[in-house]
Amino acid sequence: EIVLTQSPATLSLSPGERATLSCRASQSLGSYLAWYQQKPGQAPRLLIYDASNRATGVPARFSGSGSGTDFTLTISSLEPEDFAVYYCQQRNSWLTFGGGTKVEIK
Amino acid sequence: QMQLQESGPGLVKPSETLSLTCTVSGGSISSGGYSWAWIRQPPGKGLGWIGSISYSGSTYDNPSLKSRVTISADTSKNQVSLKLTSVTAADTAVYYCARQPMFALGKDTFDIWGPGTMVTVSS
Repeated sequence: EIVLTQSPATLSLSPGERATLSCRASQSLGSYLAWYQQKPGQAPRLLIYDASNRATGVPARFSGSGSGTDFTLTISSLEPEDFAVYYCQQRNSWLTFGGGTKVEIK
Repeated sequence: QMQLQESGPGLVKPSETLSLTCTVSGGSISSGGYSWAWIRQPPGKGLGWIGSISYSGSTYDNPSLKSRVTISADTSKNQVSLKLTSVTAADTAVYYCARQPMFALGKDTFDIWGPGTMVTVSS
């Protein structure tokens, strides 16, 4: 099973700041990585697929990069609605998720 | 606009079978190009894929669940169902159904989700 390790576990930032979230895979994924956002009491929402492609309706401040085993989700300038938990997910071998990064208000 | 809605008992006894249904509206589950997945999230924890069924009826599930999973579809009702046998407290979670594109853009991601339903395993 491919293990996805997300870091940091918690990121404390202020609105307007840049957020950089990491997802590291236990083996190469090519570009087969997605990112999701989950707010309390809600289902996850797809943000990014295939490492760098924004899903429909996702604001341009969200961007994804990386390939192989190291991936990054960047939020260029945090809006109040961006404080949430973010998960990465791989599709290279079965389907697994990372443990999540919580972006909280500082 | 497509919507998914999970339903089923909120409480299941240990060793029994958990049964959930996902009703899809705004589109047909057999129209092609999509699988339909079940994903769960224990309280305060992360997400775990349980299994999926394709538009043609092929199923595949997480090997870690050791053959406890059955996923089926009823095209006449536009529903997908999940059965999980021999449940324990470790199966307590919010259970989500989600649409999973099979081809091209967003392949094997989960692009539309239901709101989820909480299932507690307890005597």
